[in-house]
This record gives sequence, structure tokens and C-alpha cells, in this order.
Amino acid sequence: EDKVVQSPLSLVVHEGDTVTLNCSYEVTNFRSLLWYKQEKKAPTFLFMLTSSGIEKKSGRLSSILDKKELFSILNITATQTGDSAVYLCAAFDSWGKLQFGAGTQVVVTP
Amino acid sequence: NAGVTQTPKFRILKIGQSMTLQCAQDMNHNYMYWYRQDPGMGLKLIYYSVGAGITDKGEVPNGYNVSRSTTEDFPLRLELAAPSQTSVYFCASSYWDISNENTEAFFGQGTRLTVV
Repeated sequence: EDKVVQSPLSLVVHEGDTVTLNCSYEVTNFRSLLWYKQEKKAPTFLFMLTSSGIEKKSGRLSSILDKKELFSILNITATQTGDSAVYLCAAFDSWGKLQFGAGTQVVVTP
Repeated sequence: NAGVTQTPKFRILKIGQSMTLQCAQDMNHNYMYWYRQDPGMGLKLIYYSVGAGITDKGEVPNGYNVSRSTTEDFPLRLELAAPSQTSVYFCASSYWDISNENTEAFFGQGTRLTVV
């Protein structure tokens, strides 16, 4: 059975801190890993990774995939209160199935 | 460009009633999905479809049915609603671009369903 596991499930940080979120997966016929941000409505897309070891960056957010060890990391540097959200990762397989993890609730305090 | 459109946005059902959640996408995506999200939880896959006429079960299919007669539409049917089906439901669609190995899933705005 395919699994996508995120850790930690929640964390609280102060503005300016750096946050590292983990996503491990066991997915048959894995194709790519997606990260989303959710703030009380529909998830919004952050990154898609297919190749191992290549970092994707967007402003203060970055992500990398390790296909050998079957995990991905999402980093947020210099956190702001607007980064408070649930961060979701999902594994996309070659059949088209897209399975999400349980999410990590991030709270950034002023 | 509408993207993924879900209706209704809110619904209250009585135990034992049935209803259909509608989902339509105008991006010509092959893949479509239904998820439910309980408070404080991630998205759990109910059913998905890889093309018209092809559907498959996800992690939590019991109590639901789907059909995909066209590329655009992917309705979710709840038969005999139960309180355990109280949740927020999201429909999504995606694609796989083989030329650059690219994909992204696009979501509808969600349906908040309460079963009383």
C-alpha cells in the first residue's frame, strides 16, 4: 500500500526562524513529488520535483527530492506570519494517482 | 478561464439522504480526483480517474461512487449519507507533460458538507 508521511505534524516558530518540513514516501511507480500550501481554503501549488538532488527555489522557499532515500524537504527561511499555514506534500505515480500526506501545520508567531 | 468548478459550496444533509457533488474542469486534463479533508487533517483520496470511462478507488472509497463519462466532468455520489461523511470535499484535476516531466494539480474551492 502506498504511503506518504509528513513530519512533524505541527510546529510553532518565531518570525525570522528557519523551518524544515519532511515528506517521506513509499509509492509504487513514483513519478513526482508536489508541495502545496493551504490557508483555510483550497491548496495552492508551491513546487513539483521529479529529479533527485536538484533544488527548486521560490523566494524564501526551497525544496529538494532524494529519490534514493525516498524523501523530500521543504525549507522556509526568514519566516513571516504570512507563512502560517498547513503544508502538504503529495506523491504522483505513473498511473495518475495523487496521494497526499497528513500535512504539517506551521504557526509563525510575531 | 474557470479551472476546476465545484458545486455546491455548502450543503446540509440528513442521515440517509443522497446527493451528488459536481466537479467540472475546462483544462482538458486527463486526471481528476476527489478528496475529503477532516478538521486538522490532510487530504484523503476517495476516488480518482485517469480518463473518461476509467475510475479507481483511493484510500477511503466506502460510501461513495463516481463516474467519468466525459473528460470535463467527474461527479461524486454519496448514497445513504452518514455523520462520518461530514467533511470538506475537494475536487482536483492534473496532467502529465511527458516533454518536460511536468505536472501540477489544480483544485476546486471545496464543498463543506454536514450530515445531521
